Amino acid sequence: NAGVTQTPKFQVLKTGQSMTLQCAQDMNHEYMSWYRQDPGMGLRLIHYSVGAGITDQGEVPNGYNVSRSTTEDFPLRLLSAAPSQTSVYFCASSTTGNQPQHFGDGTRLSIL
Amino acid sequence: AQSVTQLDSQVPVFEEAPVELRCNYSSSVSVYLFWYVQYPNQGLQLLLKYLSGSTLVKGINGFEAEFNKSQTSFHLRKPSVHISDTAEYFCAVRAQGGSEKLVFGKGTKLTVNP
Repeated sequence: NAGVTQTPKFQVLKTGQSMTLQCAQDMNHEYMSWYRQDPGMGLRLIHYSVGAGITDQGEVPNGYNVSRSTTEDFPLRLLSAAPSQTSVYFCASSTTGNQPQHFGDGTRLSIL
Repeated sequence: AQSVTQLDSQVPVFEEAPVELRCNYSSSVSVYLFWYVQYPNQGLQLLLKYLSGSTLVKGINGFEAEFNKSQTSFHLRKPSVHISDTAEYFCAVRAQGGSEKLVFGKGTKLTVNP
């Protein structure tokens, strides 16, 4: 049981480039979310999804797009990378209700 | 909306000493509460959770937390820490019966010194 898998683990981009961070879970969880972690800021919610075909914005959605075509996958797209998006990105999933979220190992993204 | 305040950004302690990491929350509705731990260069692991019932919750690695509704607090405690407990700890809150969105505090870095 792999849990939540994020790829890549590390990535360096130039300003203006686009890329997709991948997230997949094999637990049949309805709820998936993306966070960014910056020093002293904790984790901030970017986008989330309560099921296939349903997504919504979190606290810091600007500059990011998401889609949820299957239960398993929830990719995060940076359309035009900016240095302010340098961060560690975490994907998480859970069943609905009161269950805790399971986190991936993160993607460290640097934008030059 | 919910918010979480972790009152200490850094907590240094000596090995085998007790530790308390403080967490206060704000919410207009009832909540679920969680503590997560993040070891260096890793993702977040669930330490413990409060959903309902007994206000004293026991988690992994000897940690426990007490839910205090009147003080809107959920402090994390361990009676005797080890070097291996050095990590960052995050308190998080989610509204009951509503969105599954989890709101995190800014984290407390626990450093255990020999």
